[in-house]
Amino acid sequence: DTEVTQTPKHLVMGMTNKKSLKCEQHMGHRAMYWYKQKAKKPPELMFVYSYEKLSINESVPSRFSPECPNSSLLNLHLHALQPEDSALYLCASSQVAGHQAKNIQYFGAGTRLSVL
Amino acid sequence: QQQVKQSPQSLIVQKGGISIINCAYENTAFDYFPWYQQFPGKGPALLIAIRPDVSEKKEGRFTISFNKSAKQFSLHIMDSQPGDSATYFCAASMRERGGYQKVTFGIGTKLQVIP
Repeated sequence: DTEVTQTPKHLVMGMTNKKSLKCEQHMGHRAMYWYKQKAKKPPELMFVYSYEKLSINESVPSRFSPECPNSSLLNLHLHALQPEDSALYLCASSQVAGHQAKNIQYFGAGTRLSVL
Repeated sequence: QQQVKQSPQSLIVQKGGISIINCAYENTAFDYFPWYQQFPGKGPALLIAIRPDVSEKKEGRFTISFNKSAKQFSLHIMDSQPGDSATYFCAASMRERGGYQKVTFGIGTKLQVIP
């Protein structure tokens, strides 16, 4: 099973709303990632958690707040977003040890977010 | 700074033809080179990957050619099919201190295979 599950698939929110994106994997991966992807662009890394600790925050605005409650779950809390934050938000997971071939990132289908 | 350069950005190929996508990188610290395939409305999926000490890897109709001295690599799709129509991202990754791989993506190539 190489599945990364993201919910919801679509989300529409106003600029004053608070919402959360969820990501779940049961592959035993200890690294989890959030990416943002705009149309016709490659994914851009936002956050990396390794062993449930935040390892990378790529200068993401504080209106995005990640959380890793356990090794299988990753959340992205959203608050006071701007219309330019509308994008596909992708979660990925990977192993953290061993040969590079085992450290491939597996992506979920993403959450399509629209900020009005 | 675009660390992985990918071309072309779009490609139209006849069914049965060969699709070729080229990538180049600058940072010699990269230690793994995956290719991802992304269909509309889906997340990227690993297609094939190669280590820098290997010059070629083939899986079915998909082949990666890797030239370490030139810091270039390419994806060849033989006998291209309409079902191959998707966006392809080359990527380069390196292991970070936390044990995870940090992936740098190319800009993507939108491939259309016409019947």
